[in-house]
Amino acid sequence: EVQVVESGGGLIQPGGSLRISCAASGFTFSGYWMHWARQAPGKGLVWVSSINNDGSRATYADSVKGRFTISRDNAKNTLYLQMNSLRAEDTAVYFCAKGGGPPAWGQGTMVTVSP
Amino acid sequence: QSVLTQPPSASGTPGQRVTISCSGSSSNIGRHTVDWYQQPPGTAPKPLMYGNNQRSSGVPDRFSGSKSGTSASLAISGLQSEDEADYYCGAWDDNLNGWVFGGGTTLTVL
Repeated sequence: EVQVVESGGGLIQPGGSLRISCAASGFTFSGYWMHWARQAPGKGLVWVSSINNDGSRATYADSVKGRFTISRDNAKNTLYLQMNSLRAEDTAVYFCAKGGGPPAWGQGTMVTVSP
Repeated sequence: QSVLTQPPSASGTPGQRVTISCSGSSSNIGRHTVDWYQQPPGTAPKPLMYGNNQRSSGVPDRFSGSKSGTSASLAISGLQSEDEADYYCGAWDDNLNGWVFGGGTTLTVL
């Protein structure tokens, strides 16, 4: 079964850092682009970042560029998102998603940025 | 303001057919395939359709997708109460070099 499971969310103070992870299984992880998207409470889906198969190319939404870093470890079938200089507006559920078809999304991990 | 445009709401009675539209541009829907996501209240988004018209595993054939030019549509026939959810469209965008989503459509089964 194709599956992605996020972890590592929590409560963090403004200006702080957090790394969230996504464990993938059931497919050849190294064969696919991977993505992070987020959803603030009561709001719609917003793309955050994407990374290519071998990790050599990454793209970011303007709202997180320079603060967030996406990476992957194909040997561990794991995707990461390092989030620095966190702001209140980064509060959201963060979803990991498999690129290409058929797609797979996780249940998400909640990140709350608050004093 | 979302890059892809969806109506904020849609409704229908049980058994009816409803469609949800998704409008984009030449840099996203015009060049790339469209995915659809279903999000019942209080749950995570679930991939519903991918590649314009391919159903994800376990999705009944009451759901269908199509694309023409820079627009796409999701159709739901034989509407059921469990179809009440938010629906989002998504596609890659070459100008933004990233994924773009619609603002979501809340489907109500009357």
